[in-house]
Amino acid sequence: DTGVSQDPRHKITKRGQNVTFRCDPISEHNRLYWYRQTLGQGPEFLTYFQNEAQLEKSRLLSDRFSAERPKGSFSTLEIQRTEQGDSAMYLCASSSREDNEQFFGPGTRLTVL
Amino acid sequence: QKEVEQDPGPLSVPEGAIVSLNCTYSNSAFQYFMWYRQYSRKGPELLMYTYSSGNKEDGRFTAQVDKSSKYISLFIRDSQPSDSATYLCAMSGWGAQKLVFGQGTRLTINP
Repeated sequence: DTGVSQDPRHKITKRGQNVTFRCDPISEHNRLYWYRQTLGQGPEFLTYFQNEAQLEKSRLLSDRFSAERPKGSFSTLEIQRTEQGDSAMYLCASSSREDNEQFFGPGTRLTVL
Repeated sequence: QKEVEQDPGPLSVPEGAIVSLNCTYSNSAFQYFMWYRQYSRKGPELLMYTYSSGNKEDGRFTAQVDKSSKYISLFIRDSQPSDSATYLCAMSGWGAQKLVFGQGTRLTINP
């Protein structure tokens, strides 16, 4: 499978715990995006990497959220001190240098109890 | 007012009907326009990708962009029960830009 992969697919955690998600983009894509989607809404942009550089962050990305892409390949999104409002689907997408077609992974569904 | 407006539906049509899905937007900087299909609890799947104004056809799907009216459409011909899903419009400006999504329209095709 050469598409975008995400791990884990589901995560249930208790409020106050830290969680980390991983995204592996399509291998030749140098751009990587994180989005968050709540029930009945379209995805909302969180942050964007070109290679290892984080070029844009949404105001939705509070201090409790941090994302990395250390070698320009896979990326991690960490949420510290989770809150119930963090419950959502976290989606990763990647695109190539030449255009802005973004291909999405299956998402990580987070439930904060 | 949201940058991208999309009627959430739900929309229910009989099998074989032509389906029309629409979005309006307010940001004149948008240049790339996309339609995604999303099945329940899955990631969005890219259906159609268009640049600037015009039409694009791919099998049973046709995407139209009218930048002068800030209006985009997706038509599905000969609709099938397997087309039942949520359809999301998305758009972005020049270069490596974040996508701005509509709310999504939930579509059901009845056999």
